[in-house]
Amino acid sequence: KQEVTQIPAALSVPEGENLVLNCSFTDSAIYNLQWFRQDPGKGLTSLLLIQSSQREQTSGRLNASLDKSSGRSTLYIAASQPGDSATYLCAVAGNTGKLIFGQGTTLQVKP
Amino acid sequence: DVKVTQSSRYLVKRTGEKVFLECVQDMDHENMFWYRQDPGLGLRLIYFSYDVKMKEKGDIPEGYSVSREKKERFSLILESASTNQTSMYLCASSLGGSDTQYFGPGTRLTVL
Repeated sequence: KQEVTQIPAALSVPEGENLVLNCSFTDSAIYNLQWFRQDPGKGLTSLLLIQSSQREQTSGRLNASLDKSSGRSTLYIAASQPGDSATYLCAVAGNTGKLIFGQGTTLQVKP
Repeated sequence: DVKVTQSSRYLVKRTGEKVFLECVQDMDHENMFWYRQDPGLGLRLIYFSYDVKMKEKGDIPEGYSVSREKKERFSLILESASTNQTSMYLCASSLGGSDTQYFGPGTRLTVL
């Protein structure tokens, strides 16, 4: 059974720092991996999707990498800003499209 | 932009009531999903649908049913609401089976 783990559960950094969020999964037979952002009391916003054949994806200050063989993904946020404060969720998809989510990392960026 | 809307942001119901949560997407997506999100348990898939009138059980379907009569609309039904169904309910849609999922704003349901 696929399990997704995100470490750390919470992170607090000063504005301007570069940071890395980690995601690991137990079954490497994934179709893709997706990173989402969730603001308190709101729905999820898709940030990046990495297909299983890809190694990384970039969008603005965000870069996500995927190492399928070791069951790991990282989300790199460059030059963090207070507006980046949110919970970040990773999820892996099998070929049915079902997503298995991690518990999330709650990020606070202090001005 | 993809837009996924949910019928209510907040809902309060009594135990035993029949509850309908509606989700509508405007991008002609084939796939639609219902999740619930609970502290400490994360997001869990309740049901999903690949096409009109088709449905598949997710990880926690007990106590729920769904209806997809039109492509753009996916309804989650609590036949007889119970207090353990108090949760945040999130709907999502995607173009294909493993494409990016777009989420609605969520419905926070409280069952008293």
